[in-house]
Amino acid sequence: DTAVSQTPKYLVTQMGNDKSIKCEQNLGHDTMYWYKQDSKKFLKIMFSYNNKELIINETVPNRFSPKSPDKAHLNLHINSLELGDSAVYFCASSQQQVTYEQYFGPGTRLTVT
Amino acid sequence: AQKVTQAQTEISVVEKEDVTLDCVYETRDTTYYLFWYKQPPSGELVFLIRRNSFDEQNEISGRYSWNFQKSTSSFNFTITASQVVDSAVYFCALSDSSGYSTLTFGKGTMLLVSP
Repeated sequence: DTAVSQTPKYLVTQMGNDKSIKCEQNLGHDTMYWYKQDSKKFLKIMFSYNNKELIINETVPNRFSPKSPDKAHLNLHINSLELGDSAVYFCASSQQQVTYEQYFGPGTRLTVT
Repeated sequence: AQKVTQAQTEISVVEKEDVTLDCVYETRDTTYYLFWYKQPPSGELVFLIRRNSFDEQNEISGRYSWNFQKSTSSFNFTITASQVVDSAVYFCALSDSSGYSTLTFGKGTMLLVSP
């Protein structure tokens, strides 16, 4: 059984479009995250949600809007896509104040043309 | 602010060699957590180990071992008798102990193990 899943795995779209990436975890964790990995493999936190509440927003453009309908899901919607948004986006989850390690989804490779 | 430095961008070894990946961190917190993740060519991020700042015992898991030294702010990772399947990018990461901490990653070290 997949612990943290993301859809789609690949996303190719044109500049200016709006797209969403979905994330689900079945680990029973209470905290979920979005990370961005750029072309140089650098990983950076974008958002953190705990029990559906936004906890951390790391100076991400407001074209990016996370939404957490319940604590097992954290979706990422991106408006007006730009070339610089091309990257791999990883969803992760953890059980805060218990284990701290984060478990990552397989990643979504977004290519903006 | 927290920072993780992995000075080795890329390391190439021949199978069966031992290899050490360096990680140096900076934090003002007295309680913090250190992690290593592996990213194989397939792209997923695999959790390897977590170490808290109060536990300086070294850890060994099969061919993997970790050396945590608070005095030098280092958390190095050694692979003994490397194998081709060890080829991957390895990330060191740091988080604080707050309830909603996130990971600060180093830039990663790409390990290439050739037969």
